[in-house]
Amino acid sequence: GQNIDQPTEMTATEGAIVQINCTYQTSGFNGLFWYQQHAGEAPTFLSYNVLDGLEEKGRFSSFLSRSKGYSYLLLKELQMKDSASYLCAVLNDYKLSFGAGTTVTVRA
Amino acid sequence: DADVTQTPRNRITKTGKRIMLECSQTKGHDRMYWYRQDPGLGLRLIYYSFDVKDINKGEISDGYSVSRQAQAKFSLSLESAIPNQTALYFCATSDPSENLEQFFGPGTRLTVL
Repeated sequence: GQNIDQPTEMTATEGAIVQINCTYQTSGFNGLFWYQQHAGEAPTFLSYNVLDGLEEKGRFSSFLSRSKGYSYLLLKELQMKDSASYLCAVLNDYKLSFGAGTTVTVRA
Repeated sequence: DADVTQTPRNRITKTGKRIMLECSQTKGHDRMYWYRQDPGLGLRLIYYSFDVKDINKGEISDGYSVSRQAQAKFSLSLESAIPNQTALYFCATSDPSENLEQFFGPGTRLTVL
């Protein structure tokens, strides 16, 4: 079975940093994705980690530790448009299993 | 034009009706997926197809069927809709040459009364 956990909600101030944690226990592992989803819209790709370590892409960074079954998404210099749901997803056998998502609210 | 399209975008139907949701893609990807999304539960895989002759059940396939009419088209059917199939449905595509990233359609909001 697949078990992927992430916090339900987080709130932060514009310009601040927020870290969204994801822990997983899955029957296999071929990589971990982070997606952003605005309300009522399609998920869009943010990052992909297959090896341990930090991947940085502009204001967004993602970290993976395979031995700990742990990842985080770091959002820096938060903007109002970053208010969205962030989905952690584990790839196994070419199929994605998703966590329930973390809703981030950015306040002015 | 969008790479992955879904029709209809919104649908309200009654219990017991047959419903088909359609997905088309212009990305040339072999792999296509159908998910449903419910509040608090995240995206769950219904069916997936790795090529035209390949159809596989996902974690919640009961009450659903699919048809892969061509590389570009993957349809999801609800043979006899029930209220707990009210959800947001997404189609997605992927290709190994693109890091297996999945590209999602805009979604279909289905309400079963």
